[in-house]
Amino acid sequence: GDSVTQMEGPVTLSEEAFLTINCTYTATGYPSLFWYVQYPGEGLQLLLKATKADDKGSNKGFEATYRKETTSFHLEKGSVQVSDSAVYFCALLMDSSYKLIFGSGTRLLVRP
Amino acid sequence: DTGVSQNPRHKITKRGQNVTFRCDPISEHNRLYWYRQTLGQGPEFLTYFQNEAQLEKSRLLSDRFSAERPKGSFSTLEIQRTEQGDSAMYLCASSPGTNEKLFFGSGTQLSVL
Repeated sequence: GDSVTQMEGPVTLSEEAFLTINCTYTATGYPSLFWYVQYPGEGLQLLLKATKADDKGSNKGFEATYRKETTSFHLEKGSVQVSDSAVYFCALLMDSSYKLIFGSGTRLLVRP
Repeated sequence: DTGVSQNPRHKITKRGQNVTFRCDPISEHNRLYWYRQTLGQGPEFLTYFQNEAQLEKSRLLSDRFSAERPKGSFSTLEIQRTEQGDSAMYLCASSPGTNEKLFFGSGTQLSVL
């Protein structure tokens, strides 16, 4: 079935370091891809999305590019801040489906 | 916009008891979803409502689980005869008409002893 695989965490970085969180997917068709973020004590919220191959989603300095050839949607940020500490979830949504399929999440800890 | 509200935040119960959770979506969001999340895993889809109609149920939702959304407003999720395997975070989300951008509540943490 359709699925999402994320790199295991936690990922620990110093402030201003470069961030990459890997995400790959398996799907029978061409899904839309998402990154959701969960800050401590809060609900998940949409960070960015891409709906077709080669699209780049971006928000708050984060970027991810939909790569059909490698079935990947890696999350990147050039310079992380302490406030970016959170759990990041990669997810996919198949056409005409109601359900998001999430990866297991990657915890990011940014130290001052 | 006060966000998606879930109650209670925590519920501890004994095996075999029934529990009910409530979700109040963002007003005027016609779509409402329930997900379940266990430790170290991502959320798993349970069920989906469009207005008051329950349009999809996951196979994860055994016959001990029932969800309602009367009048298309708040929703309840009931688990009958709870089992230890039901221990998880139950998440509610709503959206205004798309399946892409969901607004999640903070969840109800269920512990079955």
